[in-house]
Amino acid sequence: GAVVSQHPSWVICKSGTSVKIECRSLDFQATTMFWYRQFPKQSLMLMATSNEGSKATYEQGVEKDKFLINHASLTLSTLTVTSAHPEDSSFYICSARDHARGPQLGQYFGPGTRLTVT
Amino acid sequence: SQQGEEDPQALSIQEGENATMNCSYKTSINNLQWYRQNSGRGLVHLILIRSNEREKHSGRLRVTLDTSKKSSSLLITASRAADTASYFCATAYSSSNTGKLIFGQGTTLQVKP
Repeated sequence: GAVVSQHPSWVICKSGTSVKIECRSLDFQATTMFWYRQFPKQSLMLMATSNEGSKATYEQGVEKDKFLINHASLTLSTLTVTSAHPEDSSFYICSARDHARGPQLGQYFGPGTRLTVT
Repeated sequence: SQQGEEDPQALSIQEGENATMNCSYKTSINNLQWYRQNSGRGLVHLILIRSNEREKHSGRLRVTLDTSKKSSSLLITASRAADTASYFCATAYSSSNTGKLIFGQGTTLQVKP
């Protein structure tokens, strides 16, 4: 089946620094990728929809200047958490849509990145 | 809230028993999907049911969908200790053409050996 990777799988950073998380579709092209955040013992919250070659669409309440998304190619989207604070510590999960399978099917999830801000 | 609701929030059963989880959502959908997540891990896709389907089976899993009540249920039969995980429903709203999914709050299932 289709594979989506994330890098790094975990990262610890100091407060005030920026962290970049990569999401790659390994064997299919993904015009659209999604970024989710999951706090401990909670569900996934959609943060933004990342579109190749255009600006990301952010969900209500998500700061676009803090969570920078770049989708520069059909297989790579990056999420940069800028000026990270301890409250940004979370599990970040991406998913990628295989457009060959139509808009509602073929969405594949990455394994997640655990961010800890100290 | 962007999320639908699931109940129960937590469920503890003995191995061999059946587990039923329910999910409710808010607006019309194209499909509803169920995922499993082991602690600290990524999501595993379990099953997808389209809006024009009422029931679907996959191995020990049975999913129902009632669009008039905007609800779905996931039944795991003959549960095993390895089924211990969190289960989430996710809806693909028909108003969105991007395919984005909105997740329910999840049910944490513990299967005791």
